[in-house]
Amino acid sequence: EPEVTQTPSHQVTQMGQEVILRCVPISNHLYFYWYRQILGQKVEFLVSFYNNEISEKSEIFDDQFSVERPDGSNFTLKIRSTKLEDSAMYFCASSPPRSNQPQHFGDGTRLSIL
Amino acid sequence: DAKTTQPPSMDCAEGRAANLPCNHSTISGNEYVYWYRQIHSQGPQYIIHGLKNNETNEMASLIITEDRKSSTLILPHATLRDTAVYYCIVRGLNNAGNNRKLIWGLGTSLAVNP
Repeated sequence: EPEVTQTPSHQVTQMGQEVILRCVPISNHLYFYWYRQILGQKVEFLVSFYNNEISEKSEIFDDQFSVERPDGSNFTLKIRSTKLEDSAMYFCASSPPRSNQPQHFGDGTRLSIL
Repeated sequence: DAKTTQPPSMDCAEGRAANLPCNHSTISGNEYVYWYRQIHSQGPQYIIHGLKNNETNEMASLIITEDRKSSTLILPHATLRDTAVYYCIVRGLNNAGNNRKLIWGLGTSLAVNP
C-alpha cells in the first residue's frame, strides 16, 4: 500500500540554524499538509498546499516557515531560523483530489533544537 | 478548538470489542466524521470515515447516530497492538481547496490489556 515517507526521522539542529524537512507524498495525491506535535500536546495544523501554492495556513506558520514542492515528488518544510520552541514532531500528510477523502500521514520527523 | 468530545481514556480486554464514543453535537450537514489513531509518537494512522451511514472496513466499524450528533468506533476484536490514542475529527466538505485542515483534540487513550 502506498505511503507517505519523511526524512530524516530525527534532526538535531542548533538554534538559529535553518532546517529543511522532506516528505514524499503518495503519488496520485494532490493536496499536501504539514502538522506538528509538541511533546505531550495536540497535533496542530501548520499549512496546506495545492496546485503549487499555499491554500491555508495557521497562525503558527509565520514568516520563518515556508513550503515548497521543488519537483514532482518532494514536498518540503523549511524553518529559516530555528527557535527552541520549534522542537516537535513534524508530520507530513497528503490526500487525493476528492475533498472528503482522508489525509494519510508519514511517520514524522523529530526536530530537536539545541 | 476541536468540535468533538471524547473520553480521555478507556480500557479493553484483549479479544473483546472496543467501543470508542465521540460526541459531535454541533456537526453540520456537510461535515464528515474521521477517525485516526496514533501509536506512541508515530504518525497518525487513518482508520475510517463516514457522513451518515454506518461504515465498515478491515480495521473497524463506524456507527453514526441518526441525528449525527455522536458516533462510535468499534474495533471488533482488540489486540495489544491496538493500544493507541484514538482521535475523532469532524471536517467539512470544501472543493475550493481550503478548510481541509484537521483540528485535533486530545483523543481517547485506549489501553488493551492481556
